[in-house]
Amino acid sequence: AQTVTQSQPEMSVQEAETVTLSCTYDTSESDYYLFWYKQPPSRQMILVIRQEAYKQQNATENRFSVNFQKAAKSFSLKISDSQLGDAAMYFCAYRSLPNTGNQFYFGTGTSLTVIP
Amino acid sequence: DAGVTQSPTHLIKTRGQHVTLRCSPISGHKSVSWYQQVLGQGPQFIFQYYEKEERGRGNFPDRFSARQFPNYSSELNVNALLLGDSALYLCASSLIGTGDTEAFFGQGTRLTVV
Repeated sequence: AQTVTQSQPEMSVQEAETVTLSCTYDTSESDYYLFWYKQPPSRQMILVIRQEAYKQQNATENRFSVNFQKAAKSFSLKISDSQLGDAAMYFCAYRSLPNTGNQFYFGTGTSLTVIP
Repeated sequence: DAGVTQSPTHLIKTRGQHVTLRCSPISGHKSVSWYQQVLGQGPQFIFQYYEKEERGRGNFPDRFSARQFPNYSSELNVNALLLGDSALYLCASSLIGTGDTEAFFGQGTRLTVV
């Protein structure tokens, strides 16, 4: 089974600064999808960014970017120009291709605090 | 358009009782998945339904069951509740059961078993 590990239970960043959240995963599959989800106190999981494993180019969404290292099975999230609204739990998630199982595997999360 | 809606938002039950949680997917979405999120943990996959058929099941006991209706809404049932079933239960909907990577989550049902 696939496993996702987030080794940073808590992180903090000054407003307007940059922070990187770490994620590693284990899989024997060659193609898959990786995601970062944000879960604010409202509890709703919000998609931040996603990466297809077959794409070598790192995904970017405005202030959010990833560093995807397929060989190392590493998928870190960089948040630039941090804002107060970025404070939340961040979950790294793995999803197999549809023909091999469609469920998400989540890490244990990183709680991000943004300091004004 | 309405997002994924779940009801109720909060629920308190006694050990041994059963509970039914409900989920309405985004209009046009035919796939619904259920996840259990225990406090301090990431969500764990319970079930996936697509076109009213079970397409995947996580490592949960038979006390957990689910179904999907013709309008693609879904119910998650848990029998003989244990204290350890206390968790946030999340529902996620996808446009189709295969080939689509993004899932949209509801705000969850917070279940407390006492």
